Amino acid sequence: GAGVSQSPSNKVTEKGKDVELRCDPISGHTALYWYRQSLGQGLEFLIYFQGNSAPDKSGLPSDRFSAERTGGSVSTLTIQRTQQEDSAVYLCASSLGQVNTEAFFGQGTRLTVV
Amino acid sequence: KQEVTQIPAALSVPEGENLVLNCSFTDSAIYNLQWFRQDPGKGLTSLLLIQSSQREQTSGRLNASLDKSSGRSTLYIAASQPGDSATYLCAVITGGGNKLTFGTGTQLKVEL
Repeated sequence: GAGVSQSPSNKVTEKGKDVELRCDPISGHTALYWYRQSLGQGLEFLIYFQGNSAPDKSGLPSDRFSAERTGGSVSTLTIQRTQQEDSAVYLCASSLGQVNTEAFFGQGTRLTVV
Repeated sequence: KQEVTQIPAALSVPEGENLVLNCSFTDSAIYNLQWFRQDPGKGLTSLLLIQSSQREQTSGRLNASLDKSSGRSTLYIAASQPGDSATYLCAVITGGGNKLTFGTGTQLKVEL
């Protein structure tokens, strides 16, 4: 596709349920990032994938959060046993992977836990 | 640990004014710096990327400068328009990892 695509755009879930958020990066981009933006807050790094290397998971806030990237393309962020504090906009970005290349973001998934 | 600060947090200007947004970072060992804009309820749109070896980049009415040794970047917007109203974010990639570290943003409002 022309840009980074995220789905769903909005998700409302009940506390305690599991959710999956999807990210389709720009074709050919080897690097993929997940960030979280809570209301009125800055962007919080969650996880980074680069090619076939082990992902940088240093930003995942708890073991309820996990992410995978299949075939070096599509990524899924899974949140288990959702809590109200998980409510936020989850943003995905991709880039060509070299440190001097531009990162492009999707429109985000707004997650609301009720 | 890299920390990125943006000043001011909010700015309101009349249409037509030239303005400067500031970004500072604590670790000067960066690979690049990127400026984004974010409209309410939307994702981030990339505006300009400055590599560590560059001093500035221009795109239309936007000009971004980078002083790596002093840990500062500025985004200059010429002849501001109401459509420029958005939150502007700067982000850096620092050696030792490829993740972008973001500032908290400057919320810009350009009034008619």
